[in-house]
Amino acid sequence: GQNIDQPTEMTATEGAIVQINCTYQTSGFNGLFWYQQHAGEAPTFLSYNVLDGLEEKGRFSSFLSRSKGYSYLLLKELQMKDSASYLCAATDSNYQLIWGAGTKLIIKP
Amino acid sequence: DGGITQSPKYLFRKEGQNVTLSCEQNLNHDAMYWYRQDPGQGLRLIYYSQIVNDFQKGDIAEGYSVSREKKESFPLTVTSAQKNPTAFYLCASSTGQGHTDTQYFGPGTRLTVL
Repeated sequence: GQNIDQPTEMTATEGAIVQINCTYQTSGFNGLFWYQQHAGEAPTFLSYNVLDGLEEKGRFSSFLSRSKGYSYLLLKELQMKDSASYLCAATDSNYQLIWGAGTKLIIKP
Repeated sequence: DGGITQSPKYLFRKEGQNVTLSCEQNLNHDAMYWYRQDPGQGLRLIYYSQIVNDFQKGDIAEGYSVSREKKESFPLTVTSAQKNPTAFYLCASSTGQGHTDTQYFGPGTRLTVL
C-alpha cells in the first residue's frame, strides 16, 4: 500500500532550528511536496523535490533521498509565525498526491 | 489577482439535506481537485478533473458528486448519502502538466451537519 509517515507534533524554540522528517512508500514516485497550513486555513506550497539532495529557499530547506524514501523540511531562525502544520505529500506513478497527516509545529518564546 | 475562491467559508446543514460547495479559479488551470480534511488525517481526495466535462473519482467519492461544465468552476455536492459529512473541504487547482504540477488551494469550507 501507499503510505506517508511524519511525526504528529513537534515543539521548538523561537530562533532555533527544527527538522521535520517524512518517510514515504508509494507505487512509483514523481516527487515530494511540502506545504504549510496554519490552523483553519488552506495549505500553502513550500517546496518540491524530485532529485536527491537539498533545496534551499530562504529560511526553509527541503531534502530528499529517493533510495531511502525519506525527506525532511528544515526550518532555520524560527519565528512565532512558523507555528503551523507541515504537510508532506508524495506523487505516485499516476501523478496523484499521497498526503501525510501533517506535523503540528509549536514554537515557544 | 489570480486565485481560488471557495464559498461559503462556514456552512451548516441539517441531516438529510444536500448541499453544494462552490469553487472558482481564475488561474487558467486545467486541473481541479476536491479534498476532505479531518483532524489527525491527511488530505483525502474526493474527486478530480483534468479537463472540462470530465472528472474522476478519488479515494472517498461515495456520497459526493461534482460537475465541470466550465474551466473555472468545479462545484462539489455533498449528498444525504454521505454518512459523516462534517469536515473541512478544500478545493485545489493545478496546471495539470505532470510531475512538477503544484496544487494551489482555496481557503476552504467548513461544513457542519447538525
